[in-house]
Amino acid sequence: EDQVTQSPEALRLQEGESSSLNCSYTVSGLRGLFWYRQDPGKGPEFLFTLYSAGEEKEKERLKATLTKKESFLHITAPKPEDSATYLCAVGLRGSEKLVFGKGTKLTVNP
Amino acid sequence: GAVVSQHPSWVICKSGTSVKIECRSLDFQATTMFWYRQFPKQSLMLMATSNEGSKATYEQGVEKDKFLINHASLTLSTLTVTSAHPEDSSFYICSARISGLKNTEAFFGQGTRLTVV
Repeated sequence: EDQVTQSPEALRLQEGESSSLNCSYTVSGLRGLFWYRQDPGKGPEFLFTLYSAGEEKEKERLKATLTKKESFLHITAPKPEDSATYLCAVGLRGSEKLVFGKGTKLTVNP
Repeated sequence: GAVVSQHPSWVICKSGTSVKIECRSLDFQATTMFWYRQFPKQSLMLMATSNEGSKATYEQGVEKDKFLINHASLTLSTLTVTSAHPEDSSFYICSARISGLKNTEAFFGQGTRLTVV
């Protein structure tokens, strides 16, 4: 069964305290791995797509990496405005569907 | 960037009535759109895949007669919750991918909070 597991469920950081969010997956075939940010009461906002192991992408304070079994979202020197729920989703090969993890709720305190 | 607009943002309806939610791709064409449901602190669960000009494909356990999907054009899909009950209260989100491009990301609407009283 295709599965996506994110950890931790929640993470509290002080402003400037770097950390990483994990997304591990078990799928029959990977089309791509997607990271989204979701603010309360809003739809997910696209951040990154990773297609193959070893790939890395960066955007401001965020950096996403991918291995054959997991992806990490590294956040460097976070700010309070980075507080949100970060969702990981896996696209299945041969399908347009996405399988989502439950997300990591990140809170950055000033 | 690609924008998906969902309307309304929130709606309250009485039990037994029907509610229609619209999903529009504003600056691109979308042959396929997707409808999700999200409960508090839970993952997005795919309900159905909406295909322009043809019938929607529903996920296992989703009642197609209760959640009617129409994808009449390349920029508009609608979800109608028929005979709504309190247990249908949830956050409904649509998404779309740009037609003709493979392996690209999906763009999401802002979601619709449905409360059935």
